[in-house]
Amino acid sequence: GDSVTQMEGPVTLSEEAFLTINCTYTATGYPSLFWYVQYPGEGLQLLLKATKADDKGSNKGFEATYRKETTSFHLEKGSVQVSDSAVYFCALSDYSNYQLIWGAGTKLIIKP
Amino acid sequence: DAGVTQSPTHLIKTRGQHVTLRCSPISGHKSVSWYQQVLGQGPQFIFQYYEKEERGRGNFPDRFSARQFPNYSSELNVNALLLGDSALYLCASRREGGGNEQFFGPGTRLTVL
Repeated sequence: GDSVTQMEGPVTLSEEAFLTINCTYTATGYPSLFWYVQYPGEGLQLLLKATKADDKGSNKGFEATYRKETTSFHLEKGSVQVSDSAVYFCALSDYSNYQLIWGAGTKLIIKP
Repeated sequence: DAGVTQSPTHLIKTRGQHVTLRCSPISGHKSVSWYQQVLGQGPQFIFQYYEKEERGRGNFPDRFSARQFPNYSSELNVNALLLGDSALYLCASRREGGGNEQFFGPGTRLTVL
């Protein structure tokens, strides 16, 4: 079945560092890909999405490109802030059932 | 517009009891999904409903059931609670024809003692 694998955390960076969180997927169809963020004690917020190959999703300085050839959707940000500290989830969904399949999450810690 | 709302926020139950969790989707969204998130893990799909019909069910026991009402709100019911049911229960809504992104509520934190 479909699955998502993302890098284990925690990832600890200093403020203004460059961020990459790796995400790869396995899917039989042509899924949409998502990054969600979960701040402590809160629910999940959609950060960005991409619906087809080579699409780039972006929001709040975060970017991710849908790479079909490498089945990847890595999350990047050029300069992280302390307020970016959270857990980041990569997920996929296809149009057959709209069910979201999730990675295990990557905890990001940004130190001032 | 108001986002997805869930009630209650927190709940403490004992083993063997029954619980009902409630969700109201974003106005205009007709699809509601339920997910279970155990601490430190990604969410797991439980159910999806659209227009009061079950569209999908995840790998959960029959103790878990759900329904959707004419106003598109939804309830998740869990019978015979086990310690392992302790989790954050998330509800998400989606607008049919609006792509397949889902918008999540704040969740209900269920603790089973």
